[in-house]
Amino acid sequence: SQQGEEDPQALSIQEGENATMNCSYKTSINNLQWYRQNSGRGLVHLILIRSNEREKHSGRLRVTLDTSKKSSSLLITASRAADTASYFCATDTGRRALTFGSGTRLQVQP
Amino acid sequence: EAGVAQSPRYKIIEKRQSVAFWCNPISGHATLYWYQQILGQGPKLLIQFQNNGVVDDSQLPKDRFSAERLKGVDSTLKIQPAKLEDSAVYLCASSFGGAGEKLFFGSGTQLSVL
Repeated sequence: SQQGEEDPQALSIQEGENATMNCSYKTSINNLQWYRQNSGRGLVHLILIRSNEREKHSGRLRVTLDTSKKSSSLLITASRAADTASYFCATDTGRRALTFGSGTRLQVQP
Repeated sequence: EAGVAQSPRYKIIEKRQSVAFWCNPISGHATLYWYQQILGQGPKLLIQFQNNGVVDDSQLPKDRFSAERLKGVDSTLKIQPAKLEDSAVYLCASSFGGAGEKLFFGSGTQLSVL
């Protein structure tokens, strides 16, 4: 079963708007990571947030983590057509390799 | 630096045939992973190697899937015999250290079983 579940499953926005994706997980974690996957390609690491961190920024990306609610969110500001991709959260529980959620498919309309 | 290399990119076989995938991780990365990604889903771990030893193969269907990591570098994943439900993208990833570190993925092998 999936440890992380993303919400929404699909999101369509206009260029310039912000996109927010959420991830919920079930068990305690060491860290949570977000990855992007363009169609037909492998996954690319975006950002890692540790369990003792609440917020992290990287360029136009902002990730938050709420361990009490077992949830994380990824915000992409001022989205571009090139941000069109699937986004996955992945959790590290310290017991096995990263477990990935089912992903959010983001479509940014030019 | 060179990324994770995988081949072939695409493979079409008939059910009950065998197939093999190859992966060359980033130089110096001790840990190598094989993930299976079914269309519309997230990657699911099949097997994890650290150097040339298996760390986790609990989700590998061992009656038909096998994997090895030669000399702690390249790895091959084999399916024999293939079933229709094996149609998926097979992703190889590597990391410098062990579990929990960020992963570097190859482009994957898209397998279609007819």
